[in-house]
Amino acid sequence: DSGVTQTPKHLITATGQRVTLRCSPRSGDLSVYWYQQSLDQGLQFLIQYYNGEERAKGNILERFSAQQFPDLHSELNLSSLELGDSALYFCASSSSRTGGEKLFFGSGTQLSVL
Amino acid sequence: DQQVKQNSPSLSVQEGRISILNCDYTNSMFDYFLWYKKYPAEGPTFLISISSIKDKNEDGRFTVFLNKSAKHLSLHIVPSQPGDSAVYFCAASPEYEKLTFGTGTRLTIIP
Repeated sequence: DSGVTQTPKHLITATGQRVTLRCSPRSGDLSVYWYQQSLDQGLQFLIQYYNGEERAKGNILERFSAQQFPDLHSELNLSSLELGDSALYFCASSSSRTGGEKLFFGSGTQLSVL
Repeated sequence: DQQVKQNSPSLSVQEGRISILNCDYTNSMFDYFLWYKKYPAEGPTFLISISSIKDKNEDGRFTVFLNKSAKHLSLHIVPSQPGDSAVYFCAASPEYEKLTFGTGTRLTIIP
């Protein structure tokens, strides 16, 4: 158990809809990262928050947004969903601002857009 | 633009033999490299890392080798055990900033 909690584990929705994925980091970790793993793709970095502030942005679509709340949990919002958004979405946390050292990953949210 | 590449999607190795997983990168700014292991229905977990000032790092049965001139990274597992069957991701970062992951190699250890 990594200590990172993601909910829900599975999500099935239709094109055009909006969903929210939730992540609770390990106790004491200030950084939260979101990654997307599509079929035959590596883990694509989406966005990082550190202590409530956006710190780094990766290949995140404009239809996607995220935030980190004062209690440090984070939410990833995906809107106007398309079939290609179907993927496994991971949240990870770390204790520092930089993301280079080892991350602790949650078990992911499997999103299926039908 | 795939900056970290794992060209072998899968690898099968006999139990007790050596498993060698390979990874190539293109960004010369990368100076910190990691391997993660992922079991089904779980998130990736950190396995071993190496910084660019070293060319080898060992941790028990796991050794990571770095060839900076070739921009090549490899993970050696010896001896391989059935519990090593998993997907292995290599990852790289510049100056400890955000990690870039490869596509993963599924390792199957045959008893």
